Amino acid sequence: AQSVSQHNHHVILSEAASLELGCNYSYGGTVNLFWYVQYPGQHLQLLLKYFSGDPLVKGIKGFEAEFIKSKFSFNLRKPSVQWSDTAEYFCAVSYGGSQGNLIFGKGTKLSVKP
Amino acid sequence: DAGVIQSPRHEVTEMGQEVTLRCKPISGHDYLFWYRQTMMRGLELLIYFNNNVPIDDSGMPEDRFSAKMPNASFSTLKIQPSEPRDSAVYFCASSLGGQASYEQYFGPGTRLTVT
Repeated sequence: AQSVSQHNHHVILSEAASLELGCNYSYGGTVNLFWYVQYPGQHLQLLLKYFSGDPLVKGIKGFEAEFIKSKFSFNLRKPSVQWSDTAEYFCAVSYGGSQGNLIFGKGTKLSVKP
Repeated sequence: DAGVIQSPRHEVTEMGQEVTLRCKPISGHDYLFWYRQTMMRGLELLIYFNNNVPIDDSGMPEDRFSAKMPNASFSTLKIQPSEPRDSAVYFCASSLGGQASYEQYFGPGTRLTVT
């Protein structure tokens, strides 16, 4: 079955540290890739997305992600995190053009210490 | 636009009771999704609609769950009878058609507790 794996369940960083959250998917065909963020007590918001073109995607709030097709990966990065980045981050994949087939990873909780 | 609206935000009910969750999608969006979020299973797609028609309900856990979309601006997810294992946060999301349709906009969720 198609799946999305997020390697870390909980990441704890100090402010100004660099962040990289892993995401791997299982499907070898055409994919659309997303990162969503859920701040405490809030709903999911789109952070960035990849459909095609430049595999390095820049999103809001200084986040970026790189699509590496050969590794089936779409890792999220930020060079310097802030306390306000404390949230849960979800990687999601849609496969083969199927509108509803958006599969989420289980999420990575990021805690940033001030 | 007010975004996707869900009600109630919190629901506490006893086992065996009927629960109805409501969703108003963003105006003009023609896809609507229902998700369930739990610690154990993460975010799961339950069902989605296109132009008010259910397209894929394979994620609906069992016959106790049903969803309807009587018009473009309203959808319900009903659980009857509810069980403690249904306790979760239920999200509704909507999106446009076309390539942009892959960007889903989420509502604030309904936190359901079944005792």
